[in-house]
Amino acid sequence: SQQGEEDPQALSIQEGENATMNCSYKTSINNLQWYRQNSGRGLVHLILIRSNEREKHSGRLRVTLDTSKKSSSLLITASRAADTASYFCATRAGANNLFFGTGTRLTVIP
Amino acid sequence: DGGITQSPKYLFRKEGQNVTLSCEQNLNHDAMYWYRQDPGQGLRLIYYSQIVNDFQKGDIAEGYSVSREKKESFPLTVTSAQKNPTAFYLCASSSQTTWETQYFGPGTRLLVL
Repeated sequence: SQQGEEDPQALSIQEGENATMNCSYKTSINNLQWYRQNSGRGLVHLILIRSNEREKHSGRLRVTLDTSKKSSSLLITASRAADTASYFCATRAGANNLFFGTGTRLTVIP
Repeated sequence: DGGITQSPKYLFRKEGQNVTLSCEQNLNHDAMYWYRQDPGQGLRLIYYSQIVNDFQKGDIAEGYSVSREKKESFPLTVTSAQKNPTAFYLCASSSQTTWETQYFGPGTRLLVL
């Protein structure tokens, strides 16, 4: 399976701290994406990083990709209570559809 | 949740009953997708459609059926053959020019009575 796996499964931090979550996958990919899901809601696309990119930023988000290790990390800086959600990585290889990981549940304590 | 709507928000199914989940998008997207999410799990692809009047099975299509008669609509029917239908169902769409990014609806939670 190409499905990614996020680590840790759950993360609890204080507001203002940084949150780091990791994603590992099994096969070569074209790109890797991160999505956020608030409880009981749909997913929201956060950021996409292509296989030839190593790092990408978007506001308080920083994503890295290491294709040699088949891993990616998502860093959320200066976390806020509103960042509380589940975060999923999703990978795409060729013309295939997205494969989603099992998610990291982030809790930011005010 | 963008321009994708799903209804109803909650749906109850009796044993042996077929139920249909609605998904509508006003984003003019070509591709649409149905995913199933179980508690604490990631998303699994049920069906997808890249163009009107065409659709493909995903990883867990058994017990489900779809149609794509209009570009903006992609309803999912959960048939009586699906023995464990209780889950959260998510519809998504993507444009032809940005296949990578998918836009999701708010989801429908299906419960079995």
